[in-house]
Amino acid sequence: EAQVTQNPRYLITVTGKKLTVTCSQNMNHEYMSWYRQDPGLGLRQIYYSMNVEVTDKGDVPEGYKVSRKEKRNFPLILESPSPNQTSLYFCASSFLPRSGFPGEKLFFGSGTQLSVL
Amino acid sequence: LAKTTQPISMDSYEGQEVNITCSHNNIATNDYITWYQQFPSQGPRFIIQGYKTKVTNEVASLFIPADRKSSTLSLPRVSLSDTAVYYCLVDEELSGNTPLVFGKGTRLSVIA
Repeated sequence: EAQVTQNPRYLITVTGKKLTVTCSQNMNHEYMSWYRQDPGLGLRQIYYSMNVEVTDKGDVPEGYKVSRKEKRNFPLILESPSPNQTSLYFCASSFLPRSGFPGEKLFFGSGTQLSVL
Repeated sequence: LAKTTQPISMDSYEGQEVNITCSHNNIATNDYITWYQQFPSQGPRFIIQGYKTKVTNEVASLFIPADRKSSTLSLPRVSLSDTAVYYCLVDEELSGNTPLVFGKGTRLSVIA
């Protein structure tokens, strides 16, 4: 089954304790991205990656890191989490557009609810 | 800065047609318009995508006027299960030149 898998589903941690949220897709997608969702603010992009070893900042990258060592994996790293990073996080992936065809639809994971105390 | 503007919320009764309009005055020539649906505690899922005129699939229709400065998602005969947040996204084919910017979405509540 084609899917984007995020782990963990729920995470409670304390300020300053490094954590990693994993994201894996089995569709051979080049494009992967991370979002945070907060009440009243909608989805905001944190980082995205066009392919292996290529990453770029989204709208709200401060306090986050990512890596793309393999095509299927795109972990989100919080080196020193703070309470303002308490949020619902989503990973998404897609094929890149081909000549004459628009960007493919984004496939989203089920989300990771993070609470930083 | 979001490139799209949508109503924050809408209410509808079951069986009615619902139209959600998204404003994107600064849409670029290469931008496509894509709509996503998000149920509580789930990730958004793709509904429909278009460039101009009208697109229809098994879930919805998308109407885009000639100037492309707005688009309307039409959900025929909604049911309670259509209660969700709907996001309009305008982007240049995931080119990677700029981050994707989702708006705040429209919360649709379907009432029995």
